[in-house]
Amino acid sequence: AQSVAQPEDQVNVAEGNPLTVKCTYSVSGNPYLFWYVQYPNRGLQFLLKYITGDNLVKGSYGFEAEFNKSQTSFHLKKPSALVSDSALYFCAVRGGGGGNKLTFGTGTQLKVEL
Amino acid sequence: GAVVSQHPSWVICKSGTSVKIECRSLDFQATTMFWYRQFPKQSLMLMATSNEGSKATYEQGVEKDKFLINHASLTLSTLTVTSAHPEDSSFYICSAPGTLLNEQFFGPGTRLTVL
Repeated sequence: AQSVAQPEDQVNVAEGNPLTVKCTYSVSGNPYLFWYVQYPNRGLQFLLKYITGDNLVKGSYGFEAEFNKSQTSFHLKKPSALVSDSALYFCAVRGGGGGNKLTFGTGTQLKVEL
Repeated sequence: GAVVSQHPSWVICKSGTSVKIECRSLDFQATTMFWYRQFPKQSLMLMATSNEGSKATYEQGVEKDKFLINHASLTLSTLTVTSAHPEDSSFYICSAPGTLLNEQFFGPGTRLTVL
């Protein structure tokens, strides 16, 4: 069975500082990894994904994530946080065995303060 | 990108009534759609996979008779919460795979409140 862990319920960071939202995964075969963002009472918006290739993936709104196979991690990062980045972030994984079923982490609330 | 819509965006109903939520792929066809449930400050839990022209596949622990899913066409899936109770109050989100591998597009969600 595949699983995703987001160890932090909440991350607080000052605007302009770098941010990291952690994610580790467990899956059979090669992982397909995703980050989504959710604003209050809204659906999920796609940020970025890792399928294959470069371990550093760049996505929307200046976000990036680094795939680390040995540590089974896919941490989300941004060099300079904005107040508008405050939202709920979900990491998700799909195993390489086929199908489109995603397994989500529990989410990390990001709060960026002035 | 592709758009998935949900209707209604929110609904309040009395306990014991049934509520239907629609999920539509607006500019693409989806033979499969996914229904998720999200409790406040919690993750999305996959409830079922909706399959066009065949029965839905439910995840373990999800009551098939309570959460009826119908995938009537290539652009429409419906989730009906039957005999709703307050514990069914939640945020329901659908998604549909896109044409490219690993694409998945999410609807904006439906907030259900059962009084």
